[in-house]
Amino acid sequence: SQQGEEDPQALSIQEGENATMNCSYKTSINNLQWYRQNSGRGLVHLILIRSNEREKHSGRLRVTLDTSKKSSSLLITASRAADTASYFCATVPSGYSTLTFGKGTMLLVSP
Amino acid sequence: DAGVIQSPRHEVTEMGQEVTLRCKPISGHDYLFWYRQTMMRGLELLIYFNNNVPIDDSGMPEDRFSAKMPNASFSTLKIQPSEPRDSAVYFCASSFPGRPQHFGDGTRLSIL
Repeated sequence: SQQGEEDPQALSIQEGENATMNCSYKTSINNLQWYRQNSGRGLVHLILIRSNEREKHSGRLRVTLDTSKKSSSLLITASRAADTASYFCATVPSGYSTLTFGKGTMLLVSP
Repeated sequence: DAGVIQSPRHEVTEMGQEVTLRCKPISGHDYLFWYRQTMMRGLELLIYFNNNVPIDDSGMPEDRFSAKMPNASFSTLKIQPSEPRDSAVYFCASSFPGRPQHFGDGTRLSIL
């Protein structure tokens, strides 16, 4: 069953704008990860945030984690057409070592 | 360093035929995962191995599915006999313990 659920399912923005995607999950976690998938390709790891962290940055990416609300957000600043992809959150539930993926957010960035 | 390599990239076959998907993980990675991705169900974990040993195959949908890892550099996922509902993209991923997973580009399987 799906652990993480992304919101929105699809997002369309213009280049230069910021994109925010949200993820909610159901059980306690060890960590939460975000992955990107370009059309016809495999998933690529973007960032990992541990359960005791609240915010993490990597380049134009900012991830927040609120364990009390069981939610996370991924912010992509100054988006580019090359950011067009599907974005997935994945959780590692406490006591487990495998990832459980949400169904993803499809992001379209128009030039 | 080469990433995770999957073959074939595309497979089209008729119902009832045997299908074998192949994966070469990143050298040194201890864990290997097989996933299936469909529009309806998203990305599902089928089975994973640690040091070539199957740890959890609870995601394998039916006995028609089997997976092996004869050595640290090769794994197969076999479907016999195949059915149209097995049509999906199958991904292999590998990782070090507790580290992010590296995915191959998948095998797009169509069962007619």
